[in-house]
Amino acid sequence: EVQLVETGGGLIQPGGSLRLSCAASGFTVNSNYMTWVRQAAGKGLEWVSLMYSGGSTYYADSVKGRFTISRDSSKNTLYLQMNSLRAEDTAVYYCAGTESYWGQGTLVTVSS
Amino acid sequence: QAVLTQPSSLSASPGASASLTCTLRSGFNVGAHRIYWYQQKPGSPPQYLLRYKSDSDKQQGSGVPSRFSGSKDASANAGILLISGLQSEDEADYYCMIWHSTAWVFGGGTKLTVL
Repeated sequence: EVQLVETGGGLIQPGGSLRLSCAASGFTVNSNYMTWVRQAAGKGLEWVSLMYSGGSTYYADSVKGRFTISRDSSKNTLYLQMNSLRAEDTAVYYCAGTESYWGQGTLVTVSS
Repeated sequence: QAVLTQPSSLSASPGASASLTCTLRSGFNVGAHRIYWYQQKPGSPPQYLLRYKSDSDKQQGSGVPSRFSGSKDASANAGILLISGLQSEDEADYYCMIWHSTAWVFGGGTKLTVL
């Protein structure tokens, strides 16, 4: 059974940094493409970032230059480093393995 | 104009069928895209339902009932999620998604009410 478990969310002040983790089981992170998707309260889904199995990375314009996606094969874990956080980054962040497998999400709140 | 447009809400009766549309913006040809469909209930993550490009290129999500199926309306440049034999548990938000280059693009979602 595939499980993706996100951790690392929390309350952070504007301008701060946070690193989200997505630990996978039953699924190999570096053999598949992985994405981060976020959802603000009461809003729709917004794609954030993508990492291919070969290591290529891509970002939504709204986070480019501030967020970095990475992975640790030894830990079978995907990360999202988020810097220069803004109020509009407040959302539940989901990791997804291909289009099929999604984690439960972790809430990031950017507020003073 | 958004790349993918979904009606914000839809109501249908138990036992009936519901057709949820996902219209692609001009310049995006529905025939060229796999359309992915997700169901999301309050407080839960999106659940993958299925993808549909053609009858020869489609995939049902694991454990997803055959009551959920995909199709396209080329004349409307739209993907369609058909839910037959509606049940109260089908009440949820439904999102469509396509790949656009190296990014995912989501529709705004349709809130399906079963009453």
